Amino acid sequence: KQEVTQIPAALSVPEGENLVLNCSFTDSAIYNLQWFRQDPGKGLTSLLLIQSSQREQTSGRLNASLDKSSGRSTLYIAASQPGDSATYLCAVRSENSGGSNYKLTFGKGTLLTVNP
Amino acid sequence: EADIYQTPRYLVIGTGKKITLECSQTMGHDKMYWYQQDPGMELHLIHYSYGVNSTEKGDLSSESTVSRIRTEHFPLTLESARPSHTSQYLCASSAGISRGLTTFGSGTRLTVV
Repeated sequence: KQEVTQIPAALSVPEGENLVLNCSFTDSAIYNLQWFRQDPGKGLTSLLLIQSSQREQTSGRLNASLDKSSGRSTLYIAASQPGDSATYLCAVRSENSGGSNYKLTFGKGTLLTVNP
Repeated sequence: EADIYQTPRYLVIGTGKKITLECSQTMGHDKMYWYQQDPGMELHLIHYSYGVNSTEKGDLSSESTVSRIRTEHFPLTLESARPSHTSQYLCASSAGISRGLTTFGSGTRLTVV
């Protein structure tokens, strides 16, 4: 059974810092990995999708990397801003889920606070 | 711009009432999902569908039921709401390929009093 772990659980940084959020997964047989952002009481906003054949994806100040063989992904946020404050979730779509191989397995998230 | 819509956004209802949470998507996605999330906690899959007339229970047991009569519509129903059903319910969809993006709605925050 796929398990996804995110470290740290919470992170507080001053504005302008570059930061890295970590995600690890136990079964490397994945189709893709997706990073989401969730604001308090809201739904999930997709940030980046990395296919299993890719090493990284970039969108603006965000860069996500994937090392499938070691079961790890990182989300790099450059020049953080107070508006980046949210919970960041990592989710994987696994190959070995029997008939349910389209669903996502989520980590518990990293709560990021960027202080002005 | 949202392509998957959930209504209502917030719902406060009394114990014993029947409720239906609506979810619709305009992307033509075959796969649709319902997740439940308690405040500050992780998401748990409670139902999913791979297409019309296909529904399956997810990883977390739920007293709710779902239906998929049309591709774009995936409503969730609670026949008799209880305070233990108080939670946020998130609907999602993805394309019928393993490499596709999963898109989430804004969620319905349900409070049963």
